[in-house]
Amino acid sequence: AQSVTQLDSQVPVFEEAPVELRCNYSSSVSVYLFWYVQYPNQGLQLLLKYLSGSTLVKGINGFEAEFNKSQTSFHLRKPSVHISDTAEYFCAVTRSSASKIIFGSGTRLSIRP
Amino acid sequence: EAQVTQNPRYLITVTGKKLTVTCSQNMNHEYMSWYRQDPGLGLRQIYYSMNVEVTDKGDVPEGYKVSRKEKRNFPLILESPSPNQTSLYFCASSLRRLAGTYEQYFGPGTRLTVT
Repeated sequence: AQSVTQLDSQVPVFEEAPVELRCNYSSSVSVYLFWYVQYPNQGLQLLLKYLSGSTLVKGINGFEAEFNKSQTSFHLRKPSVHISDTAEYFCAVTRSSASKIIFGSGTRLSIRP
Repeated sequence: EAQVTQNPRYLITVTGKKLTVTCSQNMNHEYMSWYRQDPGLGLRQIYYSMNVEVTDKGDVPEGYKVSRKEKRNFPLILESPSPNQTSLYFCASSLRRLAGTYEQYFGPGTRLTVT
C-alpha cells in the first residue's frame, strides 16, 4: 500500500530565507508525485508534479522539488520565501494505474518578517 | 472561467438531519472526487467517480453517499450526519480517469459542523 509522510507539521522561516519541506513516500511500484498548496480559506492548487524524466521539477512561484528514488523522497524547496508563501503544503502520490491519490498530512509554512 | 463550485460553503446542522453538498465543474472532466480535510490527517478521499454512473469508495466512505447522474455534477449526501463528520470537505475534478497524470482542480471547500 502507498503512503505519504510529511514529517514536519509546521515550518516557521524568516522572509527571504530558504526553505525545504520534506516528503517521503512508500510504494513498491513506480509512482507519480505531486505538491499542492492551500492558501488560507481556499482550495488546493497544483504547485508541481513529477511523472517521469528529469528528477528536478520546477513549479509555480519559484518552488522546485527533487525526486530521489533511492531515498523515496520528494522534498520541496524554495531559495527565498515571501510573506505570500504562507500556506499549507501537501505532498501526494499515486500509481500510474491508480484512480486514487494519497495525500500527506500537510506542512504549514509560516513566514516571519 | 474554468472552476469547481461547491454549495453551501458553510453549513451547521444537527445530528440525523439529512443534507446534500453539491459540486459542479464546467471543464467537462471525467473524474470527480470528494475529500475531507481534518487537522493532522491531511486530505482523505471519501468517494470518487471515473465517469457518469461510475462511482467507487475511497478511504473513508462510511456515512456518505454519492451519485453521478450527469458529468458535471457530483453531490455528496449525508443521510444521517453525526458529529464525527464535522470537517472541511473538498470536491475535485480531473480530466481523465487515471487521476495520477492529470492535475486535480479543487473547489473552495465546504465547512460542515454537525452538533
